[in-house]
Amino acid sequence: QKEVEQDPGPLSVPEGAIVSLNCTYSNSAFQYFMWYRQYSRKGPELLMYTYSSGNKEDGRFTAQVDKSSKYISLFIRDSQPSDSATYLCAMSPLTGANSKLTFGKGITLSVRP
Amino acid sequence: NAGVTQTPKFQVLKTGQSMTLQCAQDMNHNSMYWYRQDPGMGLRLIYYSASEGTTDKGEVPNGYNVSRLNKREFSLRLESAAPSQTSVYFCASSPTGQETQYFGPGTRLLVL
Repeated sequence: QKEVEQDPGPLSVPEGAIVSLNCTYSNSAFQYFMWYRQYSRKGPELLMYTYSSGNKEDGRFTAQVDKSSKYISLFIRDSQPSDSATYLCAMSPLTGANSKLTFGKGITLSVRP
Repeated sequence: NAGVTQTPKFQVLKTGQSMTLQCAQDMNHNSMYWYRQDPGMGLRLIYYSASEGTTDKGEVPNGYNVSRLNKREFSLRLESAAPSQTSVYFCASSPTGQETQYFGPGTRLLVL
């Protein structure tokens, strides 16, 4: 079993839809959870960052972590064509100089006008 | 403030040739990383440097070497390129004590 599993996609939705992107993980030591957005032929950029369980909201984006179920989600409200990108989840067990991120494989989202 | 920069943007090599991918960051970050990204495989860590003067292997280090030249620069060297090293390579950096990483724009490498 991979440490981090992410729905493979691709995912296509109409503009204005609510999008739910999900990752599951097996390592209970993961404490820090991130979502990265990657536009075509660009580097990943940090979108959301959360620590431990709970929700975090930033504009149209909400990140949710359920450590008891080892499940994280990213919700996008009122999706826009500019949200079309690949979304990668990432997680880390600890902070400090030797912390390394484990990434999901990413899911490609297309928002149709 | 350019963030993380990588050179070159594109490169075509023949099998057996060598090359060095350059990475620099101007954010005064201590940690730096090299990843490769392949379709269906996601981002895989090749090498990382937790601080100036240290380097460690990641998930897929075979066929690569790295040098942390100074705090700003972290290079990745392919001594004898193979077609299996055709990929997109990303450099990233991170401040000490934080998990978030900041990525460069990538280098697309094709090995024939």
